[in-house]
Amino acid sequence: EAQVTQNPRYLITVTGKKLTVTCSQNMNHEYMSWYRQDPGLGLRQIYYSMNVEVTDKGDVPEGYKVSRKEKRNFPLILESPSPNQTSLYFCASSSRGFTYEQYFGPGTRLTVT
Amino acid sequence: QQPVQSPQAVILREGEDAVINCSSSKALYSVHWYRQKHGEAPVFLMILLKGGEQKGHEKISASFNEKKQQSSLYLTASQLSYSGTYFCGTATSGNTPLVFGKGTRLSVIA
Repeated sequence: EAQVTQNPRYLITVTGKKLTVTCSQNMNHEYMSWYRQDPGLGLRQIYYSMNVEVTDKGDVPEGYKVSRKEKRNFPLILESPSPNQTSLYFCASSSRGFTYEQYFGPGTRLTVT
Repeated sequence: QQPVQSPQAVILREGEDAVINCSSSKALYSVHWYRQKHGEAPVFLMILLKGGEQKGHEKISASFNEKKQQSSLYLTASQLSYSGTYFCGTATSGNTPLVFGKGTRLSVIA
């Protein structure tokens, strides 16, 4: 089944404790993105990647890191999480470009206390 | 810059029609529409590329006026299953990432 998977689905952590949210897709897509969703603000892009080893900042990259060492994986790293990073996070992938359908993962709900 | 969606929320009875608008201050290459049900991931509805084409998907269709940088999503004879939050995403070229609006919450009641 073609899908985007994220882990963990739910995470409660404390300020400053490094964490990684994994994202993997099995559709051989080149484009991958991370979004955060907050009430009333919609989906805001954090980082995106157009291919292996090619990443770029989105609209809200502060406090986040990403890497794209393999085509299928695009982990999101929070080196020192803060409470303002409490949010619902989505990973998405698309074939060839952003003018194609994006497939979203199930989401990761992160709470930083 | 985020596109502006209107209305922010709408309540419909089954069978009624609705229009959701999305406008941008920038010249657009494409407009995407997604629907998100509560607690789930956004799901793709359709993409419109510049050229003013209109697309349809069952009873849901959309138009794109590239001169006005506006897109409208039309939902006809609404069903309970149409409930959710609708997002438009816009791109200024084929290689720039999407920027999503804040969403329109649609509730269909019996």
